[in-house]
Amino acid sequence: AQKITQTQPGMFVQEKEAVTLDCTYDTSDQSYGLFWYKQPSSGEMIFLIYQGSYDEQNATEGRYSLNFQKARKSANLVISASQLGDSAMYFCAMREPSTGNQFYFGTGTSLTVIP
Amino acid sequence: GAGVSQSPSNKVTEKGKDVELRCDPISGHTALYWYRQSLGQGLEFLIYFQGNSAPDKSGLPSDRFSAERTGGSVSTLTIQRTQQEDSAVYLCASSLVRAGNTIYFGEGSWLTVV
Repeated sequence: AQKITQTQPGMFVQEKEAVTLDCTYDTSDQSYGLFWYKQPSSGEMIFLIYQGSYDEQNATEGRYSLNFQKARKSANLVISASQLGDSAMYFCAMREPSTGNQFYFGTGTSLTVIP
Repeated sequence: GAGVSQSPSNKVTEKGKDVELRCDPISGHTALYWYRQSLGQGLEFLIYFQGNSAPDKSGLPSDRFSAERTGGSVSTLTIQRTQQEDSAVYLCASSLVRAGNTIYFGEGSWLTVV
């Protein structure tokens, strides 16, 4: 089974609108970490946001927020007020202690912001 | 430097030659990861080190691929008898070892096999 599933290969959003990028995960651990990364066309991997499994509140970092629904094992990224510079690939990732803190990545979602 | 450093940044090699890619992680980071990314594709996990040992080598695509890490720091990924399908960006990342610690990526080594 896939550890991280991102079902949206590509998404489009109008500039200044909000967009949600989906991510579901699979783990039996009670303690784990969830992460989102952005990869613009330049290729660098940029860490965006982190959610711990025991965090009761959804993580927020500026225009990024993580909609964490533990029972559903989902960790969707919400980008508010989209900007042209948000056009990039977005990867969801998980880290779990039972596999030695291995890092698992989803297949990514390509986001295009339309002016 | 403060970040993950990879070298070479670009490498063009002839089919059949061996290549070595180097990763210098952030100082103090005990976990080190290698990933491969083909153009427009996701990240393909290759190998994971904790210290000098590799608890997970499951991603190495063939026995032409090997990696080592010495002194709990620098890692080398070696590809023997390169093939054209090995052309990709090879990304290295490092982190502290706790579930809440994020990993930090280098800028990658772009390998082209001609």
